[in-house]
Amino acid sequence: GDSVTQMEGPVTLSEEAFLTINCTYTATGYPSLFWYVQYPGEGLQLLLKATKADDKGSNKGFEATYRKETTSFHLEKGSVQVSDSAVYFCALSVIQGGGKLIFGQGTELSVKP
Amino acid sequence: DGGITQSPKYLFRKEGQNVTLSCEQNLNHDAMYWYRQDPGQGLRLIYYSQIVNDFQKGDIAEGYSVSREKKESFPLTVTSAQKNPTAFYLCASSMTGGHIETQYFGPGTRLLVL
Repeated sequence: GDSVTQMEGPVTLSEEAFLTINCTYTATGYPSLFWYVQYPGEGLQLLLKATKADDKGSNKGFEATYRKETTSFHLEKGSVQVSDSAVYFCALSVIQGGGKLIFGQGTELSVKP
Repeated sequence: DGGITQSPKYLFRKEGQNVTLSCEQNLNHDAMYWYRQDPGQGLRLIYYSQIVNDFQKGDIAEGYSVSREKKESFPLTVTSAQKNPTAFYLCASSMTGGHIETQYFGPGTRLLVL
């Protein structure tokens, strides 16, 4: 079945460090791919998305490229800030899925000053 | 401001009791979803609805029920048949339920068992 695998956390970085959170997927057809962010005690917010192969999603300094050949959608940011501390979820949605999102387990990021 | 509201923020359930979680959206979206989040895990789909008066089971529907009588409302009932209801429940909506669409999430309801 369709699934998403993320790198395990927690990830702890110093401010201004480079961030990579790995995400790989298994899906039939050509899914849309998403990164959502969750701050403590809150709901999820869309960070970025890509709907076809080779698309790059970007927002607030974060980027991810839809790589069909490696079935990956890794999240990157060149210089993290303390305010980026949150849990990050990779997710996919397939054409026949009724819009349902299939999530990875989430990666907790902690950025220290 | 358009958005999704969920109430209450915290809910306590006694043994054998049914409880209902509220979800309201004023985004004029057709599709609405309920997800369950357990600690250290991703979200799992409970039920979804792409149009008024119609809904489908998600991956973990057992012990839950929903209704969709109005476009803006999609309440979730956690029945006594759900043996492990303690979790964070998130409601979401999207414009039509297509696979390229962004889902917008509410702030969540945390359900605890007494």
